[in-house]
Amino acid sequence: QSALTQPPSASGSPGQSVTISCTGTSSDVGAYNYVSWYQQYPGKAPKLMISDVSKRPSGVPDRFSGSKSGNTASLTISGLQPEDEGDYYCGSYTGNSYFFGTGTKVTVL
Amino acid sequence: QLQLQESGPGLVKPSETLSLTCSVSGGSISNGPYFWVWIRQSPGKGLEWIASIFYRGSTYYNPSLESRLTISMDTSMNQFSLKLNSVAAADTAVYYCARHPPCGGGHSCTFDYWGQGALVTVSS
Repeated sequence: QSALTQPPSASGSPGQSVTISCTGTSSDVGAYNYVSWYQQYPGKAPKLMISDVSKRPSGVPDRFSGSKSGNTASLTISGLQPEDEGDYYCGSYTGNSYFFGTGTKVTVL
Repeated sequence: QLQLQESGPGLVKPSETLSLTCSVSGGSISNGPYFWVWIRQSPGKGLEWIASIFYRGSTYYNPSLESRLTISMDTSMNQFSLKLNSVAAADTAVYYCARHPPCGGGHSCTFDYWGQGALVTVSS
């Protein structure tokens, strides 16, 4: 198995919405409701933004939301803010290991 | 607040062994039910799960690296460690340690705490 597939880039103006997809298989994304999303700034460690498809940890703004349909999970950022610019990675439990997505660079125009 | 901190040599020669330690503060690694994990990120690339160790000691490895890996824990020091032998340039990466609750049973299946990362360069 290889990494989960994400679009390389996504962009939007402040206040707009951006949705990032994460496509896996019936053995990972499709098999479990255990998809997470991580935000990463350059030179920094990833930060958990969404767990278990749609759970938002304490302190994460409610403009971040997650969903899943079949083998594809999605992260939506509603009301895009300048500080949302960065790299976003999805990740999925696979039963005996863990796969990450290829990453999406979000640009706030 | 749980904090994780990676430490180890920043430069390793090809064919030698990469050794890293993760020091945990703000909580005991022997208090379950967590997995303690190593993840790496090659320069300009994505994230790759390397290995996990359960608080009771059972280990899990990325199949693509398993033959070269050892993960262990020292509960007296509240640390866990990674050894990757026979390294090559492709092993150059930022190595992160992290915590992962067990999937299911009311826990979130995710990496919820991360260290800041340690850059390891493989070069002669």
